[in-house]
Amino acid sequence: NAGVTQTPKFQVLKTGQSMTLQCAQDMNHEYMSWYRQDPGMGLRLIHYSVGAGITDQGEVPNGYNVSRSTTEDFPLRLLSAAPSQTSVYFCASSYSGGRSSYNEQFFGPGTRLTVL
Amino acid sequence: GNSVTQMEGPVTLSEEAFLTINCTYTATGYPSLFWYVQYPGEGLQLLLKATKADDKGSNKGFEATYRKETTSFHLEKGSVQVSDSAVYFCAFQGAQKLVFGQGTRLTINP
Repeated sequence: NAGVTQTPKFQVLKTGQSMTLQCAQDMNHEYMSWYRQDPGMGLRLIHYSVGAGITDQGEVPNGYNVSRSTTEDFPLRLLSAAPSQTSVYFCASSYSGGRSSYNEQFFGPGTRLTVL
Repeated sequence: GNSVTQMEGPVTLSEEAFLTINCTYTATGYPSLFWYVQYPGEGLQLLLKATKADDKGSNKGFEATYRKETTSFHLEKGSVQVSDSAVYFCAFQGAQKLVFGQGTRLTINP
């Protein structure tokens, strides 16, 4: 089991460029999510998905798009990068069982993005 | 609204010292509570959890008790090691969403 994998590990973009952060999991988890981590602010939820074909917005969705065509993959797209999107991005997944009150989330190693 | 407030860091301790990192939450109902740890250059890992009031989560010598009356979930360890140096996040589980505190950076000196 590779768990949750993310690529790339590091990326530098210029303002206005677009790119896709990749996330994949091999645990057959239904739930996947993207967070950004900024100093002093903890992790904030960008988008999440409860299953293939279903996505929803989190706390800070502006400037980001997602899609979920398969259970395994959940890419995050930056359409026109801005310096405010400089951050560390984490993908996470969890099993969506009957007990929705407890679903341990497994995190990828993160992508450090710098927008100049 | 829903939120988690953690003790501000950074926290620096000597090896074998006692550790407490405070965490309080504001949420609807009685959510599951978690402590996650992030070692340098890595993603977050679940450290311990508690799913109902008065539950005590424990792992690697760390403990935290779910206190409904004070809406708290303080992290404690009796004797810290250099290898415990990391960032610690308190979180609660809402409806399929984790709500995190801002994180507390812990440094243990030998």
